[in-house]
Amino acid sequence: KAGVTQTPRYLIKTRGQQVTLSCSPISGHRSVSWYQQTPGQGLQFLFEYFSETQRNKGNFPGRFSGRQFSNSRSEMNVSTLELGDSALYLCASSPTSGATEAFFGQGTRLTVV
Amino acid sequence: AQSVTQLDSQVPVFEEAPVELRCNYSSSVSVYLFWYVQYPNQGLQLLLKYLSGSTLVKGINGFEAEFNKSQTSFHLRKPSVHISDTAEYFCAVIKNTGFQKLVFGTGTRLLVSP
Repeated sequence: KAGVTQTPRYLIKTRGQQVTLSCSPISGHRSVSWYQQTPGQGLQFLFEYFSETQRNKGNFPGRFSGRQFSNSRSEMNVSTLELGDSALYLCASSPTSGATEAFFGQGTRLTVV
Repeated sequence: AQSVTQLDSQVPVFEEAPVELRCNYSSSVSVYLFWYVQYPNQGLQLLLKYLSGSTLVKGINGFEAEFNKSQTSFHLRKPSVHISDTAEYFCAVIKNTGFQKLVFGTGTRLLVSP
């Protein structure tokens, strides 16, 4: 069974640009969550999608948005990039929302210059 | 709200020695508890989890953890570490009801030297 796939693995963007990250969950999983990992703030929850609906949202500005498609694949978008958005963005999939085990992808390393 | 404290940012240990990584949590509701490991440039891998039942939980790679409700702790232990255990370890909690999110501690870097 294939794991959680995140693309791209690495990304370099310029301040002010926007970026879209993609996450394909494990086959059959319907819940996708996104986390931001930085040295200063650690791992922080961004949002969770289940059956194409956002079910939970962390404390991030509106520049951070996401969506989920009918095949459960999810995208995360960050607009008007700031230097502080440089981070490892991790996606996790679960069979259902509220499941007791989340499977993480390898992450997308975003660098904003 | 839930919170997790990992007091040790780094734990150096010699190969084949025992190790304990400490985790304390705070929550006004019942939670589930997890330990994840992260190797360099990788995502998170689940080591073990406590949902209910026996307070001693065994995980992968020889790790185990003990849930102590009165002390609100969930310390991770391994009786004999290997060089390959060098990684970052994260303790996390999640509410046991409703839509939830993982709340992580700040991580403990385990450094195993020969």
